[in-house]
Amino acid sequence: TQLLEQSPQFLSIQEGENLTVYCNSSSVFSSLQWYRQEPGEGPVLLVTVVTGGEVKKLKRLTFQFGDARKDSSLHITAAQPGDTGLYLCAGAPNSNYQLIWGAGTKLIIKP
Amino acid sequence: DTGVSQNPRHKITKRGQNVTFRCDPISEHNRLYWYRQTLGQGPEFLTYFQNEAQLEKSRLLSDRFSAERPKGSFSTLEIQRTEQGDSAMYLCASSSPGRIFYEQYFGPGTRLTVT
Repeated sequence: TQLLEQSPQFLSIQEGENLTVYCNSSSVFSSLQWYRQEPGEGPVLLVTVVTGGEVKKLKRLTFQFGDARKDSSLHITAAQPGDTGLYLCAGAPNSNYQLIWGAGTKLIIKP
Repeated sequence: DTGVSQNPRHKITKRGQNVTFRCDPISEHNRLYWYRQTLGQGPEFLTYFQNEAQLEKSRLLSDRFSAERPKGSFSTLEIQRTEQGDSAMYLCASSSPGRIFYEQYFGPGTRLTVT
């Protein structure tokens, strides 16, 4: 069974601090997506990483795909209250079209 | 903006009743997914369509759940004889073939409460 483990499950920090969220698996993925979800809404796609070692930046968010394409991280610099939400990673296995989802990291940024 | 839309946004029903949800995907997307999500968890896959064909259904899905996509456009998810354990957010997503094959775009969800 393919699993994606996210850590931490919950993180509450002050505005202006930096943080990193991790998404780990023992399986290889052909691509990995990061989503952010706000309460009562559907997940919104932030980024897709495809190549091992790839780094993508989205304003203050930096996403990295592990060299072996088994893990990924999301780093937020100078977090703001607007970054609050549930961050989900989802990996695409090589063999089918169904995404494997992590359980999410609930992030709260306090002003 | 013609993103994924879902109706209704909220549904409260009594145990034992049937409910039906609708999803309208992004118009050029040929793949459509249904998920269930409970509080604090990631989405749980329910079923997947490519055009009008239902290609995969979760083994965890009870026979009380059925989904259709009759013309390869909108889809409906029906839950018969609802149970309190069915209370959850039901999410629909769509995707299209392309270089990044697996990116999915989600609707706002339908929150189901079974009393």
